[in-house]
Amino acid sequence: GQQLNQSPQSMFIQEGEDVSMNCTSSSIFNTWLWYKQEPGEGPVLLIALYKAGELTSNGRLTAQFGITRKDSFLNISASIPSDVGIYFCAGQNYGGSQGNLIFGKGTKLSVKP
Amino acid sequence: DSGVTQTPKHLITATGQRVTLRCSPRSGDLSVYWYQQSLDQGLQFLIQYYNGEERAKGNILERFSAQQFPDLHSELNLSSLELGDSALYFCASSVRLLANTGELFFGEGSRLTVL
Repeated sequence: GQQLNQSPQSMFIQEGEDVSMNCTSSSIFNTWLWYKQEPGEGPVLLIALYKAGELTSNGRLTAQFGITRKDSFLNISASIPSDVGIYFCAGQNYGGSQGNLIFGKGTKLSVKP
Repeated sequence: DSGVTQTPKHLITATGQRVTLRCSPRSGDLSVYWYQQSLDQGLQFLIQYYNGEERAKGNILERFSAQQFPDLHSELNLSSLELGDSALYFCASSVRLLANTGELFFGEGSRLTVL
């Protein structure tokens, strides 16, 4: 089945630093999404991208839908301690009756104050 | 609070046993999804229901089954449990069949430990 390769697996950064993570796939997706999971919680949607080449921001977060439709990246600027969590990329295709998301394995972000 | 409720939050059981995890979707959501999250595999899609009918299947083992009831709550049944079934099981819901915004609303998960 479809798989997403997300990197890096983990990051340890200093507060105030910028963060970049990315996700690649061997097949194309119609939609790319980025979710964040905090300890003890379920994932929450941060940004959704619907067109190849699209660049979208949500506060300090910026994500792009790759032109080939096989990749996406997420940047976080000026990180703060509450950015800690696991960030998941997810891809979605519309086909038949399915709309389920395929998730990457996550990037665990630790921020040192 | 996503509005999705999962019970129990924690469950410890022995190998060979059977457990049932329960999910109540957000009010008005017709589609329910089950995901398994383990340390080395990330979030794996198991199965999707829409308005009581199974609509999509992922990497769900034959020992696992699910259903969605007329009141739209869903149950995931895990039987003949093995050590490797220990994981966090998430339920998510969306209004539409295709969740075409990509936004799923996740519950807090049920942590299953098999000893």
